[in-house]
Amino acid sequence: AQSVTQPDIHITVSEGASLELRCNYSYGATPYLFWYVQSPGQGLQLLLKYFSGDTLVQGIKGFEAEFKRSQSSFNLRKPSVHWSDAAEYFCAVGAYNQGGKLIFGQGTELSVKP
Amino acid sequence: DTGVSQDPRHKITKRGQNVTFRCDPISEHNRLYWYRQTLGQGPEFLTYFQNEAQLEKSRLLSDRFSAERPKGSFSTLEIQRTEQGDSAMYLCASSLAGTSGWDEQFFGPGTRLTVL
Repeated sequence: AQSVTQPDIHITVSEGASLELRCNYSYGATPYLFWYVQSPGQGLQLLLKYFSGDTLVQGIKGFEAEFKRSQSSFNLRKPSVHWSDAAEYFCAVGAYNQGGKLIFGQGTELSVKP
Repeated sequence: DTGVSQDPRHKITKRGQNVTFRCDPISEHNRLYWYRQTLGQGPEFLTYFQNEAQLEKSRLLSDRFSAERPKGSFSTLEIQRTEQGDSAMYLCASSLAGTSGWDEQFFGPGTRLTVL
């Protein structure tokens, strides 16, 4: 069965510092991997996705993620965090041709210190 | 705004009552999904439709839950005889099925249900 683990429930970084949010997945074949962000009162917004090809993918708002098959990981990174990045971040996995159903991790809440 | 909309945004009900939520997807989208999100957790898949056909239901969707999409446009999710454990955010998403094997889901703001 597919599953996603986000080991860090809450992370605090200083504004301007770099950020890495961890995500590990379990899936028998090559997964489709996603990162979503959720701000209070807002719907989930897709930051980036990985299907195949280049294992380093770029997303919106300056985020990137790297797919590492050997580690079953898809960590999200940003070189310099802005106060507006404070939100909840979710990693998700989908299966090819299974209707787009997504399996989400439990999320990592990001706080940004001034 | 042409995004996914959900109504109501908040619902407070007493245990045992029935509630119904509505989701209006992006107009040209043929797939519609329902997820449930409890506090401190990620969204959990409940069910999805392609046009008016309900193609998959999660084991989380007990007999008290029913979802419809009668004309392939908006969808409703009804919970009968609500229980306190039903308190959660109910999220709707829509997508346009393509040929890539996966399609991007656009999420609505959710309906927050509180069962007293």
